[in-house]
Amino acid sequence: EDQVTQSPEALRLQEGESSSLNCSYTVSGLRGLFWYRQDPGKGPEFLFTLYSAGEEKEKERLKATLTKKESFLHITAPKPEDSATYLCAVQALGANNLFFGTGTRLTVIP
Amino acid sequence: DSGVTQTPKHLITATGQRVTLRCSPRSGDLSVYWYQQSLDQGLQFLIQYYNGEERAKGNILERFSAQQFPDLHSELNLSSLELGDSALYFCASSEGDSPYEQYFGPGTRLTVT
Repeated sequence: EDQVTQSPEALRLQEGESSSLNCSYTVSGLRGLFWYRQDPGKGPEFLFTLYSAGEEKEKERLKATLTKKESFLHITAPKPEDSATYLCAVQALGANNLFFGTGTRLTVIP
Repeated sequence: DSGVTQTPKHLITATGQRVTLRCSPRSGDLSVYWYQQSLDQGLQFLIQYYNGEERAKGNILERFSAQQFPDLHSELNLSSLELGDSALYFCASSEGDSPYEQYFGPGTRLTVT
């Protein structure tokens, strides 16, 4: 059974304090790993897709990396506007749907 | 703005009732996905339609059904509503048959009293 575990559940950072969010996954065969950002009361916003171990993608202060068992979302010098819940999801080989983790709620304090 | 629209934004109804949620995908997107998000269970995939045909089914209850119309908009029908059906319901769309780069709508908040 597909499983996605995100840690920590919540993270408070000072503005400028870099950190990483973790997404551990178990899937029969990985077709893709996805990162989304969700603001309160809004729909998730697509950030990245990673397909193979060793792959990295960057967008502004965010960098996502992928290994065979987990993915990290690195946040460099975060700003208060980076405060959101970050969701990780996997797509298994042969599947048409995404399986989401429960997210990490990030708060960046000015 | 993702380009995906959902109506209504809020819905309050009583147990046992039936409601219909509507979703219009981004222009050019052929796939529509429905998700349920509750506080205790996170984002759960319900069902996917691609160009009018059902493509994938997740944890969708028998009381729930969906369809995608020729103009590609989709409707999610929830019947015999229970208190536990209270949640945010999201629709997402993607260009092809795969969930690569899904775009989510703003959601419909359903409250069952």
